[in-house]
Amino acid sequence: DADVTQTPRNRITKTGKRIMLECSQTKGHDRMYWYRQDPGLGLRLIYYSFDVKDINKGEISDGYSVSRQAQAKFSLSLESAIPNQTALYFCATSDSRTGSYEQYFGPGTRLTVT
Amino acid sequence: GQSLEQPSEVTAVEGAIVQINCTYQTSGFYGLSWYQQHDGGAPTFLSYNALDGLEETGRFSSFLSRSDSYGYLLLQELQMKDSASYFCAVRGGGATNKLIFGTGTLLAVQP
Repeated sequence: DADVTQTPRNRITKTGKRIMLECSQTKGHDRMYWYRQDPGLGLRLIYYSFDVKDINKGEISDGYSVSRQAQAKFSLSLESAIPNQTALYFCATSDSRTGSYEQYFGPGTRLTVT
Repeated sequence: GQSLEQPSEVTAVEGAIVQINCTYQTSGFYGLSWYQQHDGGAPTFLSYNALDGLEETGRFSSFLSRSDSYGYLLLQELQMKDSASYFCAVRGGGATNKLIFGTGTLLAVQP
């Protein structure tokens, strides 16, 4: 089983709809991140969380919200989706205890807003 | 502001050596990472440099010069499976593991 999973893998939704993307991890990592990837723009950080009670905005948090329901779960919500939120969304994790700076990415969610 | 620059595309042949450069301008710097991504799949970690010099891991090496705000990824003995996008990412300031990613370099390995 994959260590970092994302659901759904693909989603098409209409403008104005609320949508939630979910991320779960079995790695036991304390830190979790949400990124979006657009063609030609690389990955940009939306929100990150160091533990259940610590959530921080990234570069492009406007229009998004997050919830860290447990150490293993980190959800991203689009309260009212708009077409320019069409992108590939990745969840990632890292472990602050190991001294490693590696982030582990999930398989991604491809979101299309029409 | 913060920016990372890397070439958008590089082409090389199987068995060759290729170098992908990355220059950065960031507020605060703790280290430079490299990630590989195949066809929109999950990015995977390749290397991390916190100090100046060359780090070698098998066919891949990564170099950092903090004084020049510059690093590169060196891929040797190229294989077809190395065709992918490669991203440099700066670990920024503060006690965080936040990464600022470059826009990626698409490497095409030809037979």
